[in-house]
Amino acid sequence: GENVEQHPSTLSVQEGDSAVIKCTYSDSASNYFPWYKQELGKRPQLIIDIRSNVGEKKDQRIAVTLNKTAKHFSLHITETQPEDSAVYFCAASPEKGGGNKLTFGTGTQLKVEL
Amino acid sequence: GAVVSQHPSRVICKSGTSVKIECRSLDFQATTMFWYRQFPKQSLMLMATSNEGSKATYEQGVEKDKFLINHASLTLSTLTVTSAHPEDSSFYICSANTGGGDTEAFFGQGTRLTVV
Repeated sequence: GENVEQHPSTLSVQEGDSAVIKCTYSDSASNYFPWYKQELGKRPQLIIDIRSNVGEKKDQRIAVTLNKTAKHFSLHITETQPEDSAVYFCAASPEKGGGNKLTFGTGTQLKVEL
Repeated sequence: GAVVSQHPSRVICKSGTSVKIECRSLDFQATTMFWYRQFPKQSLMLMATSNEGSKATYEQGVEKDKFLINHASLTLSTLTVTSAHPEDSSFYICSANTGGGDTEAFFGQGTRLTVV
């Protein structure tokens, strides 16, 4: 089955700096890669996703890059703000109609300091 | 986006009792739903895939007789934790997709189960 590794487990940055979180996956059949932000006790919130036919995607301060050959993808957050502090999870899934099960990375605790 | 509602949000039960958690898709039909478990400060781990009108598919290491899943309609899946023990205390969360090529997963708000 799929195995997703995520680094770092904790990340502390100063407000305004950039944050980068990296993930690798093992199953070449995976072709859907979402990123989630989760606050304590809450449901995961999709912040950006990318499909395997795209190498990069950007949405305002958030960007994701995908290298399918190397089986890794990364989340980039620029101009970080204190409200970006949360746990971030990457995930991978083989996309199929009707639903897809997600294999999550181990999570990154991001702390944005003033 | 689509809405998935999960109930209850919190439950405390005694060891040996059973607890049922509901997952509903409010504005779409879901032939497939997924159940995850999340221990404190850990990731979400897939427990099983709930299939409408058929048996659930369980991930390796998940006891199907302990975690009963029923998906009797296109908008409702239930997870019953039977004979609960303290080690079953966790955050249980479901997800569903709207299908039709849309792959975004919509999550319920989760259920915090505490077994005492």
